Amino acid sequence: DTGVSQDPRHKITKRGQNVTFRCDPISEHNRLYWYRQTLGQGPEFLTYFQNEAQLEKSRLLSDRFSAERPKGSFSTLEIQRTEQGDSAMYLCASSPGPPNNEQFFGPGTRLTVL
Amino acid sequence: GIQVEQSPPDLILQEGANSTLRCNFSDSVNNLQWFHQNPWGQLINLFYIPSGTKQNGRLSATTVATERYSLLYISSSQTTDSGVYFCAVAGNTDKLIFGTGTRLQVFP
Repeated sequence: DTGVSQDPRHKITKRGQNVTFRCDPISEHNRLYWYRQTLGQGPEFLTYFQNEAQLEKSRLLSDRFSAERPKGSFSTLEIQRTEQGDSAMYLCASSPGPPNNEQFFGPGTRLTVL
Repeated sequence: GIQVEQSPPDLILQEGANSTLRCNFSDSVNNLQWFHQNPWGQLINLFYIPSGTKQNGRLSATTVATERYSLLYISSSQTTDSGVYFCAVAGNTDKLIFGTGTRLQVFP
C-alpha cells in the first residue's frame, strides 16, 4: 500500500498562468477529495469524487477551478488564470467509501503565485 | 454547517509531560478524525474515532458523541510530537470540516 501521492510537490507560477495538479489515491479507494490549506488555517474542503462522479463542490471552487477524475483512478485539479490569492497548499485525500469513511492525505502541492 | 473548535490553540511542554487536547463540535457527526501535521505539511492519521475510545502507544482518544466533544491524550511527550494537531469532523456528507488546530511545542 503506497499511500496517496501528489505531483508536483511545489509549483511557482506567475499570475495569470494556468496550473494543473495530479493526485493518485490509494488503490481501490473509491472516494477522492481535494482540500486547500492557507497559512495558519485548517484545510478547507473543495470537492470530492465517488469513482468518476463529482459529488460535491464547495463555493470556494470558483469557475477558474476544475477537477476531474476521468477513469475513477487519479484526479487532476486545474486552476486557470491564477491569482495571488490562490497561493496555498492543495491537499488530496482518499477513502474506501461507506461504511469506512476514514480519509488518508497525500503530501500536498504547495502553490506560490507571484 | 458544523462548527469545530479546538483548545488550547497553543501548548508548550517539556519532554515527558502529559497533555490533553480538546475538540468541540456543534452537531452530530458520522466521522471524526485526529491528525498530526508535521513541519513539511503532511497530515498523519492518528485516530478515526466517531465514538468511543482508542489507544495507540502513547496516544489515546475519546469521543463522546452525545455531548459533542473529543479528547486527544498525549502521554510522556517527545520532541517529535511537536507540530499542529487537527480535529476534523464530517456530518451527513463526507467532507471533513477542520478545526483551527492546536500547535504543540515540546522542548527537551
